[in-house]
Amino acid sequence: SQQGEEDPQALSIQEGENATMNCSYKTSINNLQWYRQNSGRGLVHLILIRSNEREKHSGRLRVTLDTSKKSSSLLITASRAADTASYFCATDADGWSGGGADGLTFGKGTHLIIQP
Amino acid sequence: ETGVTQSPTHLIKTRGQQVTLRCSSQSGHNTVSWYQQALGQGPQFIFQYYREEENGRGNFPPRFSGLQFPNYSSELNVNALELDDSALYLCASSTRTFSSTPLHFGNGTRLTVT
Repeated sequence: SQQGEEDPQALSIQEGENATMNCSYKTSINNLQWYRQNSGRGLVHLILIRSNEREKHSGRLRVTLDTSKKSSSLLITASRAADTASYFCATDADGWSGGGADGLTFGKGTHLIIQP
Repeated sequence: ETGVTQSPTHLIKTRGQQVTLRCSSQSGHNTVSWYQQALGQGPQFIFQYYREEENGRGNFPPRFSGLQFPNYSSELNVNALELDDSALYLCASSTRTFSSTPLHFGNGTRLTVT
């Protein structure tokens, strides 16, 4: 079963604009991670935020986490055509690397299209 | 540093057959996890191997089984294939520590069951 739910399911914006994706989850977590997937290939890790953190930045990425609302958001600033991909949030309840014995629980993803 | 590699990239099998998928972990990683990703869905956890033993398992039947070898490479075996097994199978490696670290994924094997 999928714990996370990304919103929106699909997003199309112009190059240079900012893109915001949201993720909600159901159970308590140790950390939450965001991954990117291009055209059905492997997933690439973008950023990890721990349950005791509220905000994290990495380059053009900004992630927030609200554990009281069980939600997270991913902001991509100054979008580029190369950002076109599917974005997934994944929750880790275990704390052991890679999700431990329970693995990571992924949402269904947001498909982002950046139009030139 | 060598990344995670999976083989084959594509595979077509008939319902009822058996399949073996292979994965080589990223160098320095001792844990391997397998995920199934159906079309339009997020990856679902199948199982994780550490020190050649199954360390945890998702909601998958016993006909999904795995192996991890001393060099940390891994196999995923699926018996009695069903049409719903058609999916992208992803292997991911990591180093087992009690520290939140991300997974490193391969590009997957696309399995089609007809």
